[in-house]
Amino acid sequence: DIQMTQSPSSVSAFVGDRVTITCRASQAIGTGLGWYQQKPGKAPNLLIHSASTLYSGVPSRISASGSGTEFILTISSLQPEDVATYYCQQCNNFPRTFGQGTKVEIK
Amino acid sequence: EVQVVESGGGLVQPGGSLGLSCVGSGFIFTNYWMVWVRQAPGKGLEWVASINQDGNEKYYVDSVKGRFSISRDNAKNSLYLQMNSLRVDDTAVYYCVATPNYYYFDNWGQGTLVTVSS
Repeated sequence: DIQMTQSPSSVSAFVGDRVTITCRASQAIGTGLGWYQQKPGKAPNLLIHSASTLYSGVPSRISASGSGTEFILTISSLQPEDVATYYCQQCNNFPRTFGQGTKVEIK
Repeated sequence: EVQVVESGGGLVQPGGSLGLSCVGSGFIFTNYWMVWVRQAPGKGLEWVASINQDGNEKYYVDSVKGRFSISRDNAKNSLYLQMNSLRVDDTAVYYCVATPNYYYFDNWGQGTLVTVSS
């Protein structure tokens, strides 16, 4: 199975700050990576697919990059509505696997 | 608007069985892969099973193989998850997901809670 490892596990930043989250795969997955946002008490939402393609309706302050084994999600200017837990997910192989999550909070 | 609504969660004893259902609306059900993803209380997301449009391709996470069975009834726009030999560590919110592609999880339901406890 492909293991997905996210860092950091949590981050606290000011409104307007730039926030970056890293996701590493235990083996190369090309660009077969998605990012999800889960707000407290809600179902997750797809933010990014194919490692860097913004899903419909996702604000442009969110971007992502990477390929192979290392991937990055960036929030260019943190907003209060971005408070959530973010997960990466590989879709290169079954079983589909998620990272453990990164909790983003406002200072 | 794509909508999926789960039902069937509840409290069950270890070793027991439970069946979950998910009804889709607002999309052509037969064009979509359907997926179950679960989340244990306070924990991260875990993919459980996927089924293709025709129902003839099914994939499972190892921890549920031989115990859980995913199926669909396209005439009823419905997805199912039959869970047998339930264990305490199967306790989770189970999400139904409809996706037009093989790879990503686009459209999530609100989830249904399954609690396995004596």
